[in-house]
Amino acid sequence: DIVMTQSPDSLAVSLGERATINCKSSQSVLYSSINKNYLAWYQQKPGQPPKLLISWASTRESGVPDRFSGSGSGTDFTLTISSLQAEDVAVYYCHQYYSTPQTFGQGTKLEIK
Amino acid sequence: EVQLVESGGGLVQPGRSLRLSCAASGFTFDDYAMHWVREAPGKGLEWVSSINWNSNNIDYADSVKGRFTISRDNAKNSLYLQMNSLRPEDTALYYCAKAATHGLLDYWGQGTLVTVSS
Repeated sequence: DIVMTQSPDSLAVSLGERATINCKSSQSVLYSSINKNYLAWYQQKPGQPPKLLISWASTRESGVPDRFSGSGSGTDFTLTISSLQAEDVAVYYCHQYYSTPQTFGQGTKLEIK
Repeated sequence: EVQLVESGGGLVQPGRSLRLSCAASGFTFDDYAMHWVREAPGKGLEWVSSINWNSNNIDYADSVKGRFTISRDNAKNSLYLQMNSLRPEDTALYYCAKAATHGLLDYWGQGTLVTVSS
């Protein structure tokens, strides 16, 4: 199984500042024949299901604010929120869909400082 | 608008069974694979099972293999999870999720809570 490890486990950032969450996979999730990383980022607010923010490591889903961006390839990935807003308080998960079983990071809890 | 509505959760004793359902709407159900993912209280997300569009390709997490059975009825736009021999560690909020291309989970339901306790 591919193990997904996020860092940090929790993060407190001031409004308007940058937030950065890292995700490392135990093996590459890059499908080299099509040059795509099978890596997604989800946002989960209390009492809600996960919401897909980023697919293929860096493709922002429709309707997701452009302050959210994803980067990385192979085994190392980053979710960046360029200017934190109050509504961004949530738990963020990375997720690999490269192989079965699909696996998730342990989550990063993002709070306002 | 894609909608996924889970039902069938509840309180059940260890060793007993429960069947979860997921009613899908807003998309062509039989074009897509479907998944179950669970979230134990205070824990993260754990993938449970998946089924492709025509039920020919089914996978399970090792933690539920041999106890859970996933199925679908394309005529009813519905996904199911039959859970047998339930254990306390199966206690979780169970989400159904639609898979886009290549297994990406793009839409999730609100979940149904399963509590396994005596």
